Amino acid sequence: DQQVKQNSPSLSVQEGRISILNCDYTNSMFDYFLWYKKYPAEGPTFLISISSIKDKNEDGRFTVFLNKSAKHLSLHIVPSQPGDSAVYFCAARAETSGSRLTFGEGTQLTVNP
Amino acid sequence: EAQVTQNPRYLITVTGKKLTVTCSQNMNHEYMSWYRQDPGLGLRQIYYSMNVEVTDKGDVPEGYKVSRKEKRNFPLILESPSPNQTSLYFCASSLSAGWTEAFFGQGTRLTVV
Repeated sequence: DQQVKQNSPSLSVQEGRISILNCDYTNSMFDYFLWYKKYPAEGPTFLISISSIKDKNEDGRFTVFLNKSAKHLSLHIVPSQPGDSAVYFCAARAETSGSRLTFGEGTQLTVNP
Repeated sequence: EAQVTQNPRYLITVTGKKLTVTCSQNMNHEYMSWYRQDPGLGLRQIYYSMNVEVTDKGDVPEGYKVSRKEKRNFPLILESPSPNQTSLYFCASSLSAGWTEAFFGQGTRLTVV
């Protein structure tokens, strides 16, 4: 039972354009969401997060949007750069579950020069 | 330099031969966790620890053991490895339960034949 789903295994965009990565979840107890970025042969690195009391969080070129009613979040990268090419994981946690973290399958983003 | 160190990076072993993957962090983080990454499944949490001598199961704990005798170390033990435990394993540490600013190790590629 995949509680966090990233339905697009891959996404390709042109440099300078917007990248939109999507994530859906099924567990209504999730109250905190995170995005991680992973380069080949490295561990994931934290990118940005959002609490369920917000619908948007912005950090430089990265913005995460949360639609609680649709149980959907998205990561926007504007403008996209070739160095953004990586696998992006969406993750979620419920405060009642301690420090359990549930990840999606990941989306491979390729930004073409 | 803040880091999470896993050893070994690569390991090929035979079914049933006990093995330990070590994980050490130098940031005095209370929270540590083990994940496995498999194609199409993303990262799945195996075990996590909130502090010394405090551990709990993640989503896929079967076939694994952990211990947290010291704050800096969180080894992953496979008492009797099986081929379905062939995977890429990541150790992570975090200052908070929210897993923002989490640090991941570089990964251990385990093959069980």
